[in-house]
Amino acid sequence: GESVGLHLPTLSVQEGDNSIINCAYSNSASDYFIWYKQESGKGPQFIIDIRSNMDKRQGQRVTVLLNKTVKHLSLQIAATQPGDSAVYFCAEAHGSSNTGKLIFGQGTTLQVKP
Amino acid sequence: DSGVTQTPKHLITATGQRVTLRCSPRSGDLSVYWYQQSLDQGLQFLIQYYNGEERAKGNILERFSAQQFPDLHSELNLSSLELGDSALYFCASSVAAGGPGNTDTQYFGPGTRLTVL
Repeated sequence: GESVGLHLPTLSVQEGDNSIINCAYSNSASDYFIWYKQESGKGPQFIIDIRSNMDKRQGQRVTVLLNKTVKHLSLQIAATQPGDSAVYFCAEAHGSSNTGKLIFGQGTTLQVKP
Repeated sequence: DSGVTQTPKHLITATGQRVTLRCSPRSGDLSVYWYQQSLDQGLQFLIQYYNGEERAKGNILERFSAQQFPDLHSELNLSSLELGDSALYFCASSVAAGGPGNTDTQYFGPGTRLTVL
């Protein structure tokens, strides 16, 4: 039979450029957001997280921006490197629930051209 | 290395069989989460345990069950396997149980790739 896979959006950037990966989340009650990087054959790797009482958080070469008004999250990667090539997932935790379970977005493939 | 370990790395089995996937959380983490990643469904939450007790359930099939033991390791049991159960199964762990203001970083293991033939 025919196999159907997720058609992930792809972002292609030149090495050294900045990358911006966007994510729309679904629940206005979500109070915790997190970005993961997943390389082929590996588990999701934590990049950065942010709580709903913040609108910006910076890490090493990465920045997460949260816009609660439009329920939008973005991940900015500065000076993108070939090692940044991977699938990036955003995820949210619903603050109204009594669990830390994460709801994942479908992911964005980042391709870095040398 | 996240500190979360999963065994086995690969598992190939036949339809109708039963398998057990094992996860050891990071030292000090009390919560264990199981997620399924398939080509057409992305990463889906299955179940969470906190300090030995079931905390939350996602769209986990009745053929699937899990438990968390006193040493905090967890096992995911998949029975009456079907072709559609072929997927990557990930375990993640965190310190906190989750909930309003009580959600912290989940660290993922390397996964178990299950192939059902």
